[in-house]
Amino acid sequence: QSVLTQPPSVSGAPGQRVTISCTGTRSNIGAGYDVFWYQQVPGTAPKLLIYGNKNRPSGVPDRFSGSKSGTSASLAITGLQPEDEADYYCQSYDSSLSGYWVFGGGTKLTVL
Amino acid sequence: EVQLVESGGGLIQPGGSLRLSCAASGFTVSSDYMNWVRQAPGKGLEWVSVIYSGGSTYYADSVKGRFTIYRDTSKNTLYLQMNSLRDEDTAVYYCARDQRRDGYNYPHWGQGTLVTVSS
Repeated sequence: QSVLTQPPSVSGAPGQRVTISCTGTRSNIGAGYDVFWYQQVPGTAPKLLIYGNKNRPSGVPDRFSGSKSGTSASLAITGLQPEDEADYYCQSYDSSLSGYWVFGGGTKLTVL
Repeated sequence: EVQLVESGGGLIQPGGSLRLSCAASGFTVSSDYMNWVRQAPGKGLEWVSVIYSGGSTYYADSVKGRFTIYRDTSKNTLYLQMNSLRDEDTAVYYCARDQRRDGYNYPHWGQGTLVTVSS
């Protein structure tokens, strides 16, 4: 059972827009902690897509955007491309005893 | 350039011990919070442990009392000593730096090392 809740899967056709939600509680996202998003292709390490809720590291296309409101956050991907097919994870911090970093269970994005 | 290279993984029997290493370059391991995160086969990411720049350490309940995180600044290396290993500890273990820069936390991850606990 992950601390942050994500949908197990989302899908979209090439060129479409998809969003992935990440729901937390008042001890993590709702406490004001930043949210991070990662993309992971099977067999490789997670790649940072978003930090500080909405900031992209250099080299990450602007098709990827992040937002946060209250106890939830979202990752939006526009202009879907076949290479976007991967697992996506959200991460934040938690002030309770459950841990320092907390993660969502991951969302499998399928590009139809 | 920041680089994190994990090593030390392998096949170990239940009840055994293993020490993972994470060699850092481009920064000093004692300057930031350093984490271990693991991913069991086909599963999601699970935070394991953190060592603060001041030396305080914290663990996930699943490993508390069995795993120890520490660092050697002379070698600029982070370690995870894993004792009393169980089947459910089988995972890829990543080390990750939690850098503070420009007012944000910015994580850097290594490529991971696989630990397989099996008889």
